[in-house]
Amino acid sequence: EIVLTQSPGTLSLSPGERATLSCRASQSVISSYLAWYQQKPGQAPRLLIYDTSSRATGVSDRFTGSGSGTDFTLTISRLEPEDFAVYYCQQYGSPPPGTFGPGTKVDIK
Amino acid sequence: QVQLVESGGGVVQSGRSLRLSCVASGFTFSSYAMHWVRQAPGKGLEWVAVISYDGSSKSYTDSVKGRFTISRDNSKNTLYLQMNSLSAEDTAVYYCARKFDCSTTTCYRYFDYWGQGTLVTVSS
Repeated sequence: EIVLTQSPGTLSLSPGERATLSCRASQSVISSYLAWYQQKPGQAPRLLIYDTSSRATGVSDRFTGSGSGTDFTLTISRLEPEDFAVYYCQQYGSPPPGTFGPGTKVDIK
Repeated sequence: QVQLVESGGGVVQSGRSLRLSCVASGFTFSSYAMHWVRQAPGKGLEWVAVISYDGSSKSYTDSVKGRFTISRDNSKNTLYLQMNSLSAEDTAVYYCARKFDCSTTTCYRYFDYWGQGTLVTVSS
């Protein structure tokens, strides 16, 4: 079973800054089947990125996903106030059906 | 638009049972496999169970096997999670979720829609 590790655990940044979030897998993720979700307090997760780099419908182009194999990155080019949240990566190339990373919290510095 | 609305959460004593429901709308429910994902307070996301589009195939995470049962009623567009022998470790918000373009328990897809969640609190 693939284990996902996310770093850093918390990222403290100011609005307008660039955020770089890392997701590392214990084994290669098949077909780059990796997604990113954003979760705000009291809300359900929201799909941001799928297949490593494809933006979900309605997602700002400030969000960019990249990577391959075992190393993946979510970049937020210029943080807006609404971007401060927790971000989870998920691999879906091998079982079990839902393998999530522990999350990275992006908070306001 | 796709909507998933969970209900049935609440406070329950350790060892007791609870049944969660998730009513779906805005898509052809009977064509999709459906999942339950939970999130303990202040913690990350944990996949719990999946059921195929027709209910013929199910899969569970190890920690709930033998205690939880996922089921569905396609005539009512409703997903269920029967939870027995609850313990404090089951305290969480439970989300129902759909995977994109997925009818089976083994397709490799991402979660494209989530419900708002229902909180289950198990007290000792």
